[in-house]
Amino acid sequence: ETGVTQSPTHLIKTRGQQVTLRCSSQSGHNTVSWYQQALGQGPQFIFQYYREEKNGRGNFPPRFSGLQFPNYSSELNVNALELDDSALYLCASSLDAGGYNEQFFGPGTRLTVL
Amino acid sequence: QQPVQSPQAVILREGEDAVINCSSSKALYSVHWYRQKHGEAPVFLMILLKGGEQKGHEKISASFNEKKQQSSLYLTASQLSYSGTYFCGTEIGQGAQKLVFGQGTRLTINP
Repeated sequence: ETGVTQSPTHLIKTRGQQVTLRCSSQSGHNTVSWYQQALGQGPQFIFQYYREEKNGRGNFPPRFSGLQFPNYSSELNVNALELDDSALYLCASSLDAGGYNEQFFGPGTRLTVL
Repeated sequence: QQPVQSPQAVILREGEDAVINCSSSKALYSVHWYRQKHGEAPVFLMILLKGGEQKGHEKISASFNEKKQQSSLYLTASQLSYSGTYFCGTEIGQGAQKLVFGQGTRLTINP
């Protein structure tokens, strides 16, 4: 059984650029959630996808967007990057979208915006 | 809306016990506990649901007081491997599809 994988591992961008982060969910999981984790803070919920549909969104501006593919892998897109977007971006997959399902986190993508 | 964890940090000797608390100002549907070691992804420990149902780790226990909107994680006879930052994530309604994590509690276990 393959765990959650994310790519790339690290990324350096400049302010104003756009970035796409990728996440492959664990086998059999149909739900992917994305989180932003600033240094020394807890993960902050960006949004969740369940069976290719957006299933909840946190307090992030519209320049944070995403999608989920038929194989349940997912992408997070961030447009017009700002310095404050520098963080660790985590995706987590779960067996289903309900609250009783543990989330399996990927290793994250470290984004640095200069 | 972010749950508040206490203490922010704790240092123990191997074999000692620890309690980590998580409080919310909102009524909770579920509380999720995760541990994150430095440079690694958070790892699932425990889920507690409103109504008393639990799912999680064999050697770690937790409680969920729905009336007080609080949860506590109990680490007994701590091992060196327990070191890391512990996060509680709260869900304010069934189907809310949104886990709000606390700021974390850093636990250091020394030999």
